[in-house]
Amino acid sequence: QKEVEQDPGPLSVPEGAIVSLNCTYSNSAFQYFMWYRQYSRKGPELLMYTYSSGNKEDGRFTAQVDKSSKYISLFIRDSQPSDSATYLCATSQGGSEKLVFGKGTKLTVNP
Amino acid sequence: NAGVTQTPKFQVLKTGQSMTLQCAQDMNHNSMYWYRQDPGMGLRLIYYSASEGTTDKGEVPNGYNVSRLNKREFSLRLESAAPSQTSVYFCASSSAGGRETQYFGPGTRLLVL
Repeated sequence: QKEVEQDPGPLSVPEGAIVSLNCTYSNSAFQYFMWYRQYSRKGPELLMYTYSSGNKEDGRFTAQVDKSSKYISLFIRDSQPSDSATYLCATSQGGSEKLVFGKGTKLTVNP
Repeated sequence: NAGVTQTPKFQVLKTGQSMTLQCAQDMNHNSMYWYRQDPGMGLRLIYYSASEGTTDKGEVPNGYNVSRLNKREFSLRLESAAPSQTSVYFCASSSAGGRETQYFGPGTRLLVL
């Protein structure tokens, strides 16, 4: 079993839809949780960062971590065509140099 | 600030040829990373360097070598390229390992024939 599992999609939604992207992880020692966004033919860039459990909101984006069920979520409200990208979840444990990435979910928002 | 830069952007090699991918960061970060990204496989860590003078293997190190030349630069070398090394290679840097944001370069697309 991979340490981080993520449904690769692809996911296609109409503009204005609410999008839910999810990951599960197996290592209970993971403490830092991130979502990266990667546009086509570009490098990933950090979108959201959460430490431990809870919610974090930034504009139309909300990141949720449920450590009891080892579940990571990213919600996008009022999705826009500019949100079309691949979204990668990532996590690490305290003291580790390494991030563990999910495989990424490709999202297309249709005008 | 340029952030993380990578050269070249694109390269075609024949099987058995060697090449070095260059990476530099201007953010004074301690940690640097090399990943490869393949369809359906996600980002996989090849090697990383937690500080100048140290390097460690990641998930898929076979067929690669690295050099942390100084705090700014971290190179990845393919000594004898194989078609299985056709991929997109990303360099990244971070101020404090896994608990801080990793900043990625634009990537190098490598095709091995």
